[in-house]
Amino acid sequence: DTGVSQNPRHKITKRGQNVTFRCDPISEHNRLYWYRQTLGQGPEFLTYFQNEAQLEKSRLLSDRFSAERPKGSFSTLEIQRTEQGDSAMYLCASSSDRGPTEAFFGQGTRLTVV
Amino acid sequence: AQTVTQSQPEMSVQEAETVTLSCTYDTSESDYYLFWYKQPPSRQMILVIRQEAYKQQNATENRFSVNFQKAAKSFSLKISDSQLGDAAMYFCAYRRSGDKIIFGKGTRLHILP
Repeated sequence: DTGVSQNPRHKITKRGQNVTFRCDPISEHNRLYWYRQTLGQGPEFLTYFQNEAQLEKSRLLSDRFSAERPKGSFSTLEIQRTEQGDSAMYLCASSSDRGPTEAFFGQGTRLTVV
Repeated sequence: AQTVTQSQPEMSVQEAETVTLSCTYDTSESDYYLFWYKQPPSRQMILVIRQEAYKQQNATENRFSVNFQKAAKSFSLKISDSQLGDAAMYFCAYRRSGDKIIFGKGTRLHILP
């Protein structure tokens, strides 16, 4: 397993368009997290899953954001009607409930809304 | 709510010297984990070191060590023999058992040759 994979790496979209990002976690990890990071800031929690169940969604998250993890494998994060303020790096991470408790991160998807 | 505070937005250290990055956190839990992550410019976030709250012994990983003061809710990272490759953003993070990871705002570390 090569780690957490995120696609695409970069996305440029026009304001008002919808975008979808994909995350493939480490195969044996049952937890999957989405974070948003703006330049010079720490990752901001968006949502996380245990298997296919979405356990928590940040109250700061607009209704334009939705995430899924069908069958507890890969996950998608969709942003509808994008705004310039959505421009950021979107990070995905995964972890296991067994053994080491840290999360392993993907390389992120950089979104630019123009 | 749990919070993580890093009070040093930027720090600089001379190559081969030692530097300490500060972190405090707020929680009412007794079972939790603390982490330091490193994020080099335009690169992936990677784990530097992990500390379980129930362990009294401070974690050590080669040149990286922590000073974990549970009562004071303090978790500092010491980097010994600093190298140019240590230049990065460093994030302190907290995780309650079975919950999400919460990050601080980070400290940008510069290594001076």
